[in-house]
Amino acid sequence: DADVTQTPRNRITKTGKRIMLECSQTKGHDRMYWYRQDPGLGLRLIYYSFDVKDINKGEISDGYSVSRQAQAKFSLSLESAIPNQTALYFCATSGGGAYEQYFGPGTRLTVT
Amino acid sequence: GENVEQHPSTLSVQEGDSAVIKCTYSDSASNYFPWYKQELGKRPQLIIDIRSNVGEKKDQRIAVTLNKTAKHFSLHITETQPEDSAVYFCAENGGTSYGKLTFGQGTILTVHP
Repeated sequence: DADVTQTPRNRITKTGKRIMLECSQTKGHDRMYWYRQDPGLGLRLIYYSFDVKDINKGEISDGYSVSRQAQAKFSLSLESAIPNQTALYFCATSGGGAYEQYFGPGTRLTVT
Repeated sequence: GENVEQHPSTLSVQEGDSAVIKCTYSDSASNYFPWYKQELGKRPQLIIDIRSNVGEKKDQRIAVTLNKTAKHFSLHITETQPEDSAVYFCAENGGTSYGKLTFGQGTILTVHP
């Protein structure tokens, strides 16, 4: 779905570096989410935001932080990357009275 | 509290056969149960969902059934085709309004021609 975009799509970084993953959407949705996907573990929620002033921790928030710069933008930061944060990261949005979440294309992050 | 168990982790069928994937959940407040399909290298996409006020929902070759008493729901795919090969995820909302989803671990479905 081209309405939810993520940058970068791939990133290799070193242990201890700070890195930011960005998500933008043109769907006009108020709710945004960050998930992490690891093989055999499904999708696990890192942080979610129901509007610009609302930020909530998810299941696995340790080592991550987020910023909701505008309704359309939600960024995920790793303050000091470590190898076990190597994963596929997805942003998702939902809005209005609907439960359905729309996913971005994902960012593959490798921490060496 | 959210916990979703999904089985099987892998499923291999012949083209034309049916496939069934089952999920169990623990939160009795859960009232929304979607299923997502993720093709290789792609993003998850919703294929069907069900609310707790119905027991079954169908959309062409796919259907979802919900048993609230037993706290489980299942995805049924009939007349499988090779393009159904993908990873399938169930999820539930823990009763939260429009909220966060807890996903199962995923099932890798392979349909052999």
